[in-house]
Order: sequence, then structure tokens, then C-alpha cells
Amino acid sequence: EAQVTQNPRYLITVTGKKLTVTCSQNMNHEYMSWYRQDPGLGLRQIYYSMNVEVTDKGDVPEGYKVSRKEKRNFPLILESPSPNQTSLYFCASSIASGYNEQFFGPGTRLTVL
Amino acid sequence: AQKVTQAQTEISVVEKEDVTLDCVYETRDTTYYLFWYKQPPSGELVFLIRRNSFDEQNEISGRYSWNFQKSTSSFNFTITASQVVDSAVYFCALTAGRDAGNMLTFGGGTRLMVKP
Repeated sequence: EAQVTQNPRYLITVTGKKLTVTCSQNMNHEYMSWYRQDPGLGLRQIYYSMNVEVTDKGDVPEGYKVSRKEKRNFPLILESPSPNQTSLYFCASSIASGYNEQFFGPGTRLTVL
Repeated sequence: AQKVTQAQTEISVVEKEDVTLDCVYETRDTTYYLFWYKQPPSGELVFLIRRNSFDEQNEISGRYSWNFQKSTSSFNFTITASQVVDSAVYFCALTAGRDAGNMLTFGGGTRLMVKP
């Protein structure tokens, strides 16, 4: 089944404790992206990647890091999480770019205490 | 800079009513793409439609239709004869310009509640 998977689905952590949210797609897609969803703000793009080793900032990259060492994986790293990073996070992929239909993962609900 | 505004934060209708969700966008670029995504209560986002700036034809897909008007910078979404299963949050999104195809800007979303 073609899909985007994210792990963990739920995470409660404390300020300053490094964490990684994994994202993997099995559709051989070139483009991958991370978003955060907050009430009233819709989805805001954090980082995106056009291909292996090619990543760039979205609208809200502060406090986040990403890497794209393999085509299928695009982990989101929070080196020192803070309470304002409490949010619902989505990973997405598309065949080539943001022009194309994006397939979204199930979301990761992160709470930073 | 680009911006998407969905002024209706919540809409409540009774089943079988028609409902229109508004989307107004801002961009200085002449080449851009607009999208609608649906987020049902389960949480995952589902693609509904994509439209590019050179194609102003309206589109109909079953009970769904989209009205793209460049003159008013709007890309509105109408559900005809709404059903309870249409209850969801709907997002309009835009990608434009130099980063077209890379960066995607979403509106704040419209929560649609369809009551039986």
C-alpha cells in the first residue's frame, strides 16, 4: 500500500530534550515536506526537500532541522524543544514538487512541557 | 509574499444543503497553483483538486465544484447536497513564483459541520 508513515504518532516530552520524528514514504517520491498545524493558522511549512541531500527552509524553520540522506526518509529533528513547538506535525511527499498532489502522513501530536 | 485567506472559520449546515467555502489568495506572480485539501475527523489530509493560474475553467467532480476567478483572486469550493461525510476541515493552499512547486502556503482552514 502506497503510504507516508510517521513515528511516533504521539509524544510528550520536556523542554530541551532532543527528539526526532521519523517520516518515510514508499512511493519513490522526489519531494518531501514537513508542516505544523496550529489552531487558526492552518498548516505552515517547516522544511522541504526536492531530492536526496537537497533541503530548504519553509516559512517556520526556526528550532527545527531536517536531513535527506535517503530518498524515502525525511526525519524532523528538534534539538532543544520548547513549549511553543507543541503542535500537530505532518509529513508529506509528492512525485516531483509542491506543484503535485501531496500525500500526507497520519500526523504526530507533540507536546513539550 | 503570498497569502491565503479563508474567512469562514466554521460553517454549519443541514444535510442536503449546498455550501460554498471561500478562498481568497494573494500573490504577485503570474504563475501559481491553487489546491484544496480535506481533513476529515480522522486527521489525515486528502488532496481534492489542483488548478494552475492559466486555467480558469471551473471544475465539477460529482457533488463538488470549484470556481476559479482571477479577477477577484478567489478559488471557491461548493458542495452540492451536502452529506454528513462531508464534515471536515477544508484547506485552500497556494504555491507561486520563484519557489513555485517548493513552498506551499495554506489558509487557516474552514471547519464544515453537516448535521443530519
